[in-house]
Amino acid sequence: EPEVTQTPSHQVTQMGQEVILRCVPISNHLYFYWYRQILGQKVEFLVSFYNNEISEKSEIFDDQFSVERPDGSNFTLKIRSTKLEDSAMYFCASSEQGTNTGELFFGEGSRLTVL
Amino acid sequence: AQSVTQPDIHITVSEGASLELRCNYSYGATPYLFWYVQSPGQGLQLLLKYFSGDTLVQGIKGFEAEFKRSQSSFNLRKPSVHWSDAAEYFCAVGAGNQFYFGTGTSLTVIP
Repeated sequence: EPEVTQTPSHQVTQMGQEVILRCVPISNHLYFYWYRQILGQKVEFLVSFYNNEISEKSEIFDDQFSVERPDGSNFTLKIRSTKLEDSAMYFCASSEQGTNTGELFFGEGSRLTVL
Repeated sequence: AQSVTQPDIHITVSEGASLELRCNYSYGATPYLFWYVQSPGQGLQLLLKYFSGDTLVQGIKGFEAEFKRSQSSFNLRKPSVHWSDAAEYFCAVGAGNQFYFGTGTSLTVIP
């Protein structure tokens, strides 16, 4: 069964460092998403991406964050200068048709720990 | 604004007992509704979804959920809980180009 894969599963970094989280969405999907979950809190929307551009982003997704689809398969989330409060589980998701008509398929997450 | 409320932060049930997890949503139109489960250290797995049609939907692992428009609810049920069902359960609403998640209900299953 096709699945969304994320790497790394866990990354530890120093505050101020750049981090890139990688995702390989399901191959025929067109909509891509990043969500995050701070420990003990709910899953929060960060950004959605369609047709090679951001279609929607939340307040959390400030200038420190960026997303890119560098090739036909990867979808990356970059945090330019990490802060302690960026420590969270980051989930990538993809969808064939977007949230209005299709379900989101989530990866297993990348846990980011900022020291 | 869209929102999802899961009023029960934590529920404990005995193995074999029935389960109901509550979910209420706020959305102007008929939303697309989902239940996801998250086992410790794992990602989000879809249990079931409601888009339209029959308001009682069946999912994986013996779960079902009922959409009640009059109550703006989409409660998750299982007639007999197994120890392996211990996990975090999230209700979600698909609206616009976003998913809105509830805060989750943590389920503990005791022998």
